[in-house]
Amino acid sequence: AQSVTQLDSQVPVFEEAPVELRCNYSSSVSVYLFWYVQYPNQGLQLLLKYLSGSTLVKGINGFEAEFNKSQTSFHLRKPSVHISDTAEYFCAVINSGGGADGLTFGKGTHLIIQP
Amino acid sequence: NAGVMQNPRHLVRRRGQEARLRCSPMKGHSHVYWYRQLPEEGLKFMVYLQKENIIDESGMPKERFSAEFPKEGPSILRIQQVVRGDSAAYFCASSPLAGAADTQYFGPGTRLTVL
Repeated sequence: AQSVTQLDSQVPVFEEAPVELRCNYSSSVSVYLFWYVQYPNQGLQLLLKYLSGSTLVKGINGFEAEFNKSQTSFHLRKPSVHISDTAEYFCAVINSGGGADGLTFGKGTHLIIQP
Repeated sequence: NAGVMQNPRHLVRRRGQEARLRCSPMKGHSHVYWYRQLPEEGLKFMVYLQKENIIDESGMPKERFSAEFPKEGPSILRIQQVVRGDSAAYFCASSPLAGAADTQYFGPGTRLTVL
């Protein structure tokens, strides 16, 4: 079984400032990791995913995340945020060994961009 | 290529009625996942289906909930005798292949309100 912890339920940031959204996971098996974004009243859109290889993953909209196996973390970062980045961000994991599991999500972090 | 379609987008039911939620996966996708999002919570996996088969229903409540993905037509999530605690957003996702590394593409969700 896996679990995902997103420590911050809300993160307020000024426009053009950098941001980091934290994600830690727990799993007894190897996992793949994902970040999704949800805009109001919409479905989830994939930002990026880590499967293997380089631990720094670049995604859409200028976001990147770094996988740290020893700290079981997968924090999401953006060097300069825009008003349009205001949304809910979800970290998720899935058993990389296959099987029939669905994604396990964290509770989400609401990113609030202040002008 | 149209994305994942869900309908209705909003559904209001009185306690004891049945709710039927529909999901049409992306073209070429034969794998469907259903998730439930309660207020202030992340998404919780409910069930994973392939055409005409339920692969994993470990996240489904044991009673009142059922899902199907027929050979023709959309996937259906059915909730019988709804209760207020069923009020939530229900999201469907689809993927082209069965692998854990494959991106799940999410629909806009159905927001169920039980009066």
